[in-house]
Amino acid sequence: AQSVTQLDSQVPVFEEAPVELRCNYSSSVSVYLFWYVQYPNQGLQLLLKYLSGSTLVESINGFEAEFNKSQTSFHLRKPSVHISDTAEYFCAVSLPFSGGYNKLIFGAGTRLAVHP
Amino acid sequence: GAGVSQSPSNKVTEKGKDVELRCDPISGHTALYWYRQRLGQGLEFLIYFQGNSAPDKSGLPSDRFSAERTGESVSTLTIQRTQQEDSAVYLCASSPGILGTEAFFGQGTRLTVV
Repeated sequence: AQSVTQLDSQVPVFEEAPVELRCNYSSSVSVYLFWYVQYPNQGLQLLLKYLSGSTLVESINGFEAEFNKSQTSFHLRKPSVHISDTAEYFCAVSLPFSGGYNKLIFGAGTRLAVHP
Repeated sequence: GAGVSQSPSNKVTEKGKDVELRCDPISGHTALYWYRQRLGQGLEFLIYFQGNSAPDKSGLPSDRFSAERTGESVSTLTIQRTQQEDSAVYLCASSPGILGTEAFFGQGTRLTVV
């Protein structure tokens, strides 16, 4: 079965420390990968995505994620977090669906809590 | 419209009543998703519509839940005989449906069953 696993439901970290949020997927076909962020009391918004080319993708607020095909992973990292990064982060994979369309499958989410 | 629109934004209902939630996707988006997010929890997939294909209903938790979508337009999620456990934020998302394209989420409907 095709799925997305986010290994940590919660990640507490101190401000200015590095963080890694883990995401693994299972698929027998090529995939496209996404990270979404949900700030407190807000909707989900796209943080970054991997479609092709360089396996390292970056967001505008300092996050980066690396696509690792051999390990079927797409972990999200930031070298130094801020209080404002406190949010829920969702990993998603785009898979082929019938009729040539795609379907997005989301992981359960990781709650990042940044403490002063 | 400019984004995915959901209505109402908040709904309080009595246990046992039926509710209908509405989602207006971005114009031209063939794919539409419904998710449920309970307080402090992650996303729970409910149903997926894609063009004229048969919808993927594998996430609907019980036969009290149903959803409809006519073509590539508005979708409604109906919950019959609501229970307190149905209290959650119901999120709708739409997507162009092309492989590699992302989904765009609405702000959700917060449903409270009292």
